[in-house]
Amino acid sequence: DQQVKQNSPSLSVQEGRISILNCDYTNSMFDYFLWYKKYPAEGPTFLISISSIKDKNEDGRFTVFLNKSAKHLSLHIVPSQPGDSAVYFCAASAGGTSYGKLTFGQGTILTVHP
Amino acid sequence: DTEVTQTPKHLVMGMTNKKSLKCEQHMGHRAMYWYKQKAKKPPELMFVYSYEKLSINESVPSRFSPECPNSSLLNLHLHALQPEDSALYLCASSQDGGGLAENIQYFGAGTRLSVL
Repeated sequence: DQQVKQNSPSLSVQEGRISILNCDYTNSMFDYFLWYKKYPAEGPTFLISISSIKDKNEDGRFTVFLNKSAKHLSLHIVPSQPGDSAVYFCAASAGGTSYGKLTFGQGTILTVHP
Repeated sequence: DTEVTQTPKHLVMGMTNKKSLKCEQHMGHRAMYWYKQKAKKPPELMFVYSYEKLSINESVPSRFSPECPNSSLLNLHLHALQPEDSALYLCASSQDGGGLAENIQYFGAGTRLSVL
């Protein structure tokens, strides 16, 4: 039972354009959502997060949108840069006594072309 | 400083060997985690330590034995592993608690383990 799904295995965009990475979840108990970026041979790096009481969080070029009714979140990167090329994982946590149990999606490989 | 340091970076071991993976953080985090990641798959949680006590064991086989000697260190002792245990082993840490900040986990670069 995959509770967090990233249905696009890969995404290719031109430098300077917007990258939109999508994530769907099924567990209505999830309270916190996070995006991580991973380069080969490195551990995941935290990018941005959002709690279920918000619908948008912005940090520089990165914005995460949450649609609770659709159980959908997305990460927007504007403008995209070649250095953004990496695997992006969304993750979710039920918080409370279940904190620490991050459930990850399968990941989306983002390639930004110069 | 959001650094989590893992050693060694690479490890090759036979099925009868005993080895240990080490993880260290100096962010004052009181929760630490071990994950296993196979190629082209997401990280899978193995263990969670909170205030140096094991709080979550995701039904991991006993050939993996975690240890938290103090709040900054986390070890994973390996014994009699199988070739299918070959994977990237990731350590992470976070603040302790149930809020948004406490759910942000910071990962090390991992140990690439090969079991022959």
